[in-house]
Amino acid sequence: GAVVSQHPSRVICKSGTSVKIECRSLDFQATTMFWYRQFPKQSLMLMATSNEGSKATYEQGVEKDKFLINHASLTLSTLTVTSAHPEDSSFYICSARFSGGRGYTFGSGTRLTVV
Amino acid sequence: DAKTTQPPSMDCAEGRAANLPCNHSTISGNEYVYWYRQIHSQGPQYIIHGLKNNETNEMASLIITEDRKSSTLILPHATLRDTAVYYCIVRVLRDDKIIFGKGTRLHILP
Repeated sequence: GAVVSQHPSRVICKSGTSVKIECRSLDFQATTMFWYRQFPKQSLMLMATSNEGSKATYEQGVEKDKFLINHASLTLSTLTVTSAHPEDSSFYICSARFSGGRGYTFGSGTRLTVV
Repeated sequence: DAKTTQPPSMDCAEGRAANLPCNHSTISGNEYVYWYRQIHSQGPQYIIHGLKNNETNEMASLIITEDRKSSTLILPHATLRDTAVYYCIVRVLRDDKIIFGKGTRLHILP
């Protein structure tokens, strides 16, 4: 149980376009989801906390107008990278909190390449 | 900032026990120790967590020192599939965030 599905797994987009990444909790309701990004050979960096029905909370230094987060239902959060540039190329990972003591489960990640 | 210190890398022979240390000298009484691992190009995977007692599950054992200032994750019979970055994290259960440190890159040697 407690599976998070993340799509797409890979995406290549042109510079200046926008890309949407979806994160779904398959068998539980997630009132809180989290978005991370990870550059090669580095650790995961928390970008924002996504709360169902309210505005996301962004970490310091993360541009909220560039990384749009929508958490419209208890099972779906989306991250839209707007006007993507090559420096936005990264591995994006979502996670969701659930009950039962294990805390969090993570999606399989989305590798974004901006060309 | 991450509240834990881990060695950047470790090697372990296949079939042997892998013992991964973690220092968390500033841990508070209500903070749990969590371990996750990340296999290349995948999302992190939960391994185990504990408060002060030693814990064991189908994946690993967690040994927490009596003063709770350090812990060791034990993979009893390491396989090549255990090659990953292992993250030790301390957090209060009700906390919203998981903040990752740099972790330990474990290499399993055939």
